[in-house]
Amino acid sequence: QVQLVQSGAEVKKPGASVKVSCKASGYSFSGFHMHWVRQAPGQGLEWMGRINPSSGGTDYAQKFQGRVTMTSDTSISTAYMELSRLTSDDTAVYYCARVGGGGTYYPHWGQGMLVSVSS
Amino acid sequence: DIQMTQSPSSLSASVGDRLTITCRASQSISNYLNWYQQKPGKAPKLLIYVASSLQTGVPSRFSGSGSGTDFTLTISSLQPEDFATYYCQQSYSTPLTFGQGTKVEIK
Repeated sequence: QVQLVQSGAEVKKPGASVKVSCKASGYSFSGFHMHWVRQAPGQGLEWMGRINPSSGGTDYAQKFQGRVTMTSDTSISTAYMELSRLTSDDTAVYYCARVGGGGTYYPHWGQGMLVSVSS
Repeated sequence: DIQMTQSPSSLSASVGDRLTITCRASQSISNYLNWYQQKPGKAPKLLIYVASSLQTGVPSRFSGSGSGTDFTLTISSLQPEDFATYYCQQSYSTPLTFGQGTKVEIK
């Protein structure tokens, strides 16, 4: 079965960077886009961007342009999302989500990773 | 960016009630509309995709309808495990956007 396992929670100082990993199993990693969604405490869901693991092509939300980098390593079926110049507003749970077979919806999610930004 | 507006933002309901949540897009998105359920501390769960297709394993009491700009999620008979927050999402164009959520609480 499809599984997405994310790295553990991290605490970062303002101005630092964080790199979140998402290890996939149970399917052909290169065959499906991976998206990243975040959720600030008590808030809604926010789309950050996506990566095509096969080509490495990315599409980022304008809000994160210049601060976010999404990559993938097909040899270990792992996607990464790195966010730089962190502020307290970046405190959130970060999810990876794999698209479905027939379109851009998310039947499969990672368990989420809490990133706390505090001085 | 396409804005997604859900209503209501919250509601109280009883087990057995019929529930309808609406989602309106700021422009036409055809049928590129998905619904998710989220419980505290958990990742969202896909319920409905492309407006009306029921995700495998999701109970048939959940249904979705609509096209263009107006969509609805209906729960025909609310069960105890349905108390959660529900989000719509448009997948018509990037940036993909979500509604603000509808929290369903026990009356």
